[in-house]
Amino acid sequence: AQTVTQSQPEMSVQEAETVTLSCTYDTSENNYYLFWYKQPPSRQMILVIRQEAYKQQNATENRFSVNFQKAAKSFSLKISDSQLGDTAMYFCAFMKRGGSEKLVFGKGTKLTVNP
Amino acid sequence: EPEVTQTPSHQVTQMGQEVILRCVPISNHLYFYWYRQILGQKVEFLVSFYNNEISEKSEIFDDQFSVERPDGSNFTLKIRSTKLEDSAMYFCASSAQRGANTGELFFGEGSRLTVL
Repeated sequence: AQTVTQSQPEMSVQEAETVTLSCTYDTSENNYYLFWYKQPPSRQMILVIRQEAYKQQNATENRFSVNFQKAAKSFSLKISDSQLGDTAMYFCAFMKRGGSEKLVFGKGTKLTVNP
Repeated sequence: EPEVTQTPSHQVTQMGQEVILRCVPISNHLYFYWYRQILGQKVEFLVSFYNNEISEKSEIFDDQFSVERPDGSNFTLKIRSTKLEDSAMYFCASSAQRGANTGELFFGEGSRLTVL
């Protein structure tokens, strides 16, 4: 069974600064996806960024980038130039490629961006 | 922008009562999911649904749970006889492609269920 661990229950950052959220996972699979989902207060969870395990290049989406270390089973999210709208719960998630439909989530990190 | 909508946003019920949580997925999506999050715990997969049948379910999704797409737009989760431990936030999600192909699910805001 896969597990996802987010070791930082809460983090805070000053506006315009950079913050890194940690995620580790455990799996015996070789083909899978990793995701970061963001859930602003009282809003839907939305996909921030996706990484395919067979791709060595780290995914980036504007101010969001990941550091994917497959051997270490680590998948951190870096948010550059933090904005007040980045305040949210951030969930790291795993999905096996092909076969199972389910996302396996971490417990989440509550990020607060301070003005 | 199209989004997944869920009703009710909060429901309080007595133990043993039946509850139906409703979801309207994004209109051209074909794959539907329910997840739940007990307070302070991880978001957990319950069930996936495609082509009018369950494609996968977790061990949590026992005989007390059922899903249905009664009219081509709604996607419902029914809990037949609620227990205290069913208290959680329930999230509906949908995707245009099979989740395992893209991984991108579109989630609703959630329905908070409180069982007394």
